This record gives sequence, structure tokens and C-alpha cells, in this order.
Amino acid sequence: LAKTTQPISMDSYEGQEVNITCSHNNIATNDYITWYQQFPSQGPRFIIQGYKTKVTNEVASLFIPADRKSSTLSLPRVSLSDTAVYYCLVGDISTGNTGRRALTFGSGTRLQVQP
Amino acid sequence: GAGVSQSPRYKVAKRGQDVALRCDPISGHVSLFWYQQALGQGPEFLTYFQNEAQLDKSGLPSDRFFAERPEGSVSTLKIQRTQQEDSAVYLCASSLGASPGETQYFGPGTRLLVL
Repeated sequence: LAKTTQPISMDSYEGQEVNITCSHNNIATNDYITWYQQFPSQGPRFIIQGYKTKVTNEVASLFIPADRKSSTLSLPRVSLSDTAVYYCLVGDISTGNTGRRALTFGSGTRLQVQP
Repeated sequence: GAGVSQSPRYKVAKRGQDVALRCDPISGHVSLFWYQQALGQGPEFLTYFQNEAQLDKSGLPSDRFFAERPEGSVSTLKIQRTQQEDSAVYLCASSLGASPGETQYFGPGTRLLVL
């Protein structure tokens, strides 16, 4: 399993753009990059997933450079409600994968948004 | 529709007691996962069911931990002779199919405190 490294914590202010970078130097060819968000006293929630280049949805954007050894989650104009822990996960989701389906979480990045 | 629900939300047990934690996945979801989350850490995989079959229990920390999903819907995680190190949040997640990389939907968790 590819190991991921993220900053332990980040601080921001309302209205700012927040970029959280995750390093995954040993990412394999079939690995996808997925980000989950977890609020206190709740289970993690899927945010976004990508393989290469850029993916955007209504919540966030995910930037993946050509070498795929890192990825950056971008949250536009954060609000207080974006205060949460953000997890970067790397795993093989190819249909031929017969390995385990479980998600492997690291310690995540604790984002604190101030007013 | 209804999400994943778990009960009880909080459980206090005396050391040595047996506990049973319940998970109601999203209706029709084939896959069900249990995770354990220690304070300040990311969730760690415990076990995985595909319908009623327990296909992966490699994450169960000891033989005191037992999980079942007899009819392929509701699941119960049982911990026998609880120890203080079992104190954690126990998360249940489900996904629609059995393909790797499918989005997992998490419940709010059961917070277990063993005294």
C-alpha cells in the first residue's frame, strides 16, 4: 500500500482558498487518489477522487501532477463549516483488483477555519 | 434516503464486560465495513462483509472481536471481555456494490469507553 504524508494541521480564515497537499511517492500504476472529510462526532465523508490531472466537483478540486507522487486538495472560499479533518487515501480501485476493499486512512490534516 | 445508522451512539462498559454494537447499512448495499478509530487517529479497518459473507477479518485485533451479518443487511460487532485499550469510536460503512474504490458511506459511529 502506498504511504501518504500530509500536514498535521492547517489554519485558514473564512473566504480564503485552502490547499492541502498529500505526498504519495510510492503510488502504483493502478492507484487512485481519494479524499475524505470528517467532522467531529461523525464518520468520514467522500469528497473527491482522481487519477491524474485535475478533477473538480461542487465541493472541491483535486490537482494531480504528471508524476502522481503528490496531490493537492483545493477548497475554494472556505467557511467555518469546513473545519474538519481531511484524509488523503491512495488505493487500487481497478476492476481487476482482488485485494481488500477497505480504505487505509492516515492521521489526516486538521483544518481550522477562523472567522 | 436514510444513511448508515449505528447504535448505541455511546457505550460505557466495565472492563471484562461484553458489548454488542449494531450497524444498519443503507438499504441494498452489498458491502459493509467496520473500522476502529482511536482518539486523534484515522479510522483503521477491522472487517469486511460482502452480503452475509465475511470476506476479510484481517483487521480484528484479537479473538475477542467478532462480527456477523447473518442476513446480509444489519451487522453486529461484538467485543468480549472488554479491555481499556478497546476504548475507541467504532465506525460502520457501507457501499452499494462490491467493486474496489466504490464510495463508502459512514455512520456516525459508536463511542465505546471501557472503564
